[in-house]
Amino acid sequence: GDSVTQMEGPVTLSEEAFLTINCTYTATGYPSLFWYVQYPGEGLQLLLKATKADDKGSNKGFEATYRKETTSFHLEKGSVQVSDSAVYFCALSEADSSYKLIFGSGTRLLVRP
Amino acid sequence: EPEVTQTPSHQVTQMGQEVILRCVPISNHLYFYWYRQILGQKVEFLVSFYNNEISEKSEIFDDQFSVERPDGSNFTLKIRSTKLEDSAMYFCASSERGRFYNQPQHFGDGTRLSIL
Repeated sequence: GDSVTQMEGPVTLSEEAFLTINCTYTATGYPSLFWYVQYPGEGLQLLLKATKADDKGSNKGFEATYRKETTSFHLEKGSVQVSDSAVYFCALSEADSSYKLIFGSGTRLLVRP
Repeated sequence: EPEVTQTPSHQVTQMGQEVILRCVPISNHLYFYWYRQILGQKVEFLVSFYNNEISEKSEIFDDQFSVERPDGSNFTLKIRSTKLEDSAMYFCASSERGRFYNQPQHFGDGTRLSIL
């Protein structure tokens, strides 16, 4: 079945450092890909999405490119802030499965001043 | 910006009791979902709901679980006889599905269910 694999956390960075969180997926069809973020004590918020190969999703300085050839959707940010500290979830959904989201295990990011 | 709201934020229940978790999806959304997240584990799909019926459910969603949209605005998840392993954060989500592409799901802040 479909699955999403994320790099293990926690990831600890200093402010203004470059961030990469790796995400790879396995899917039977042609999924849409998402990054969700969960700040402490809050629900899941959509960060960005991509619906087809080579699409780049971007929001709040974060970017991720849908790479079909490597089945990847890595999250990047050029300069992280303390306020980016959160748990980041990579997810996919497919049209033939009621568009349910299949999540990775989440990666906790801690940014130190 | 419209949002998905869930109540209560925290529910404590004795094992074997029934519990109902409530959600108000975004008003023009058509697709509704429940997910759960056991502490320290990944977010897992439970059930999807469209046009007043279940469109898909996971293996977790057994006969103890049911969903309902009783009045056109609320979307509820009922657990008939709770077990200790039902302790988790439960998230409601909704989406406005487009015909040709996948619309993102919007999540509530969750209900933390604690079974004693």
